[in-house]
Amino acid sequence: QKEVEQDPGPLSVPEGAIVSLNCTYSNSAFQYFMWYRQYSRKGPELLMYTYSSGNKEDGRFTAQVDKSSKYISLFIRDSQPSDSATYLCAMSVPGAGSYQLTFGKGTKLSVIP
Amino acid sequence: EAGVAQSPRYKIIEKRQSVAFWCNPISGHATLYWYQQILGQGPKLLIQFQNNGVVDDSQLPKDRFSAERLKGVDSTLKIQPAKLEDSAVYLCASSSRGAGTGDYEQYFGPGTRLTVT
Repeated sequence: QKEVEQDPGPLSVPEGAIVSLNCTYSNSAFQYFMWYRQYSRKGPELLMYTYSSGNKEDGRFTAQVDKSSKYISLFIRDSQPSDSATYLCAMSVPGAGSYQLTFGKGTKLSVIP
Repeated sequence: EAGVAQSPRYKIIEKRQSVAFWCNPISGHATLYWYQQILGQGPKLLIQFQNNGVVDDSQLPKDRFSAERLKGVDSTLKIQPAKLEDSAVYLCASSSRGAGTGDYEQYFGPGTRLTVT
């Protein structure tokens, strides 16, 4: 069993839809949870970051963490064609140095105009 | 602020040949990472540097891969000899310790797409 599981999709939704992206994990030591967005032929860019259970909102994006279930989600409201990308969840264990990330496979999202 | 620079952007080689990738991190970033991203997968950490020292290279196939970060700034990743399964995008990322936004954010370069034939 991989440490981080993520449905690779692809996921196709109409413009304006609410999108739900999810990851599960098995390592209880993960304490930091991130969502990265990766456009085609580009490097990943950090979208959301959280370290506690509950919700964190940033504009149209909401990150949700449930540590008891080892489950994290990213919600995108009023999805736009510009949101079409691959979304990667990433997690890390706190340490003395910079945090090493364990990524999910990524979910490819297409938002259709 | 200039981002993470990588070159070349694309490289095609035959198996058993050697190849090198170059990365220049964001100015002042002490930590540098090399990741391998195979098509359809998330990035996998190969090696992490703190300044010019190796923090973790446990997932680096040391029989064929090597990396260095001389002077604690830019870095090179080398593969010799390359295998078909090395076809992937090689991403470089950097992060700053103790910055205002925290240590967690890693800034990625555009990657080098390697095809081994």
